[in-house]
Amino acid sequence: GAVVSQHPSWVICKSGTSVKIECRSLDFQATTMFWYRQFPKQSLMLMATSNEGSKATYEQGVEKDKFLINHASLTLSTLTVTSAHPEDSSFYICSARANRGNSPLHFGNGTRLTVT
Amino acid sequence: QQQVKQSPQSLIVQKGGISIINCAYENTAFDYFPWYQQFPGKGPALLIAIRPDVSEKKEGRFTISFNKSAKQFSLHIMDSQPGDSATYFCAASIGNSGYALNFGKGTSLLVTP
Repeated sequence: GAVVSQHPSWVICKSGTSVKIECRSLDFQATTMFWYRQFPKQSLMLMATSNEGSKATYEQGVEKDKFLINHASLTLSTLTVTSAHPEDSSFYICSARANRGNSPLHFGNGTRLTVT
Repeated sequence: QQQVKQSPQSLIVQKGGISIINCAYENTAFDYFPWYQQFPGKGPALLIAIRPDVSEKKEGRFTISFNKSAKQFSLHIMDSQPGDSATYFCAASIGNSGYALNFGKGTSLLVTP
């Protein structure tokens, strides 16, 4: 079945530094990928829609200059948290859907970001 | 604004019992309704999904019931097992044209031995 690989699975960084998270679709091509954020015991909140070859679409309230998204190929999207602060600590999850009809959305295993 | 409302927030079921989780939506444009299972520290995994042209879909112990007129759908887990203990999310989207999923708030299920 379709596999979405996310890396790293966890990362600890200091305030003010930047962190890059990768999301890869391993056995399918995905024109569109989605980035979600999840706080403990809460639902997944969509942050942005990543489109291959074009600019990402951000949800209301998500700072595009803070959460930089690059979708350079049909199998890779990256999320960079710039100038991270402790309030950015969260569980970030990407998802992707194959470029064919009726394909379900598959999720990566998430990245636990802790900003100290 | 929560586009998909899910209940209950938490659920405790004895082993062998039936777990029932309910969801409701408002947007009649939604035409794809999946359920995801999430274990702690992991991403959600697709469990089962339904489209509005059928009223029920069953896969093993998992069944989705869909009521289009009431704009409600539910997940039934038959013969619940301790290994089913996880958080379950219902979701809805408009087809598969690249629209993102709208998730419910999740139900934490505990199946006791």
